[in-house]
Amino acid sequence: GNSVTQMEGPVTLSEEAFLTINCTYTATGYPSLFWYVQYPGEGLQLLLKATKADDKGSNKGFEATYRKETTSFHLEKGSVQVSDSAVYFCALSAMIYNQGGKLIFGQGTELSVKP
Amino acid sequence: NAGVTQTPKFRILKIGQSMTLQCTQDMNHNYMYWYRQDPGMGLKLIYYSVGAGITDKGEVPNGYNVSRSTTEDFPLRLELAAPSQTSVYFCASSYPGQRNEKLFFGSGTQLSVL
Repeated sequence: GNSVTQMEGPVTLSEEAFLTINCTYTATGYPSLFWYVQYPGEGLQLLLKATKADDKGSNKGFEATYRKETTSFHLEKGSVQVSDSAVYFCALSAMIYNQGGKLIFGQGTELSVKP
Repeated sequence: NAGVTQTPKFRILKIGQSMTLQCTQDMNHNYMYWYRQDPGMGLKLIYYSVGAGITDKGEVPNGYNVSRSTTEDFPLRLELAAPSQTSVYFCASSYPGQRNEKLFFGSGTQLSVL
């Protein structure tokens, strides 16, 4: 079946450090891949997405590239800020006709950025 | 600009009690979902609906029921609450029709069953 595996947290970085959060997936077919972010006390928000192999999703300085050969979608940011402290979820959507694009989530990775 | 609204935000139940978690969206989305979030476990899909009058089970449906009488509302019912249902519950909606669909989430309901 479909599944998503993320690196375990928490990840603690200093401001302006480089961030990588690893995500690998198992899926049949050609899923779409997503990164969602959850700020404290809030619901999840879509951060970026990619719908086919070699696509790069980007938003707010974050990037992730859909790598079919390694079944990965690692999240990166060149210089993190304190405001990036949140929980990050990798997810995939295997769009199924008339069943919606149900998302399968990884376990989440908590990021804490210190000044 | 409400989006997806969930009520209540917090609730404490005793074992065996029942309650309904409310969810409404004002974006005219066809698809709605209920997820639960357990620490270190990510989100698991409980139930989903592709439109008014149509619901289906997700990954962890036991102990829950849903209904979808209107496009806007998708309440989640807990009958005979159990400690295993202590979790944070998120409602979400989407308007698929394109493969790169985006889910809109409510802010969550934190439920404790004691």
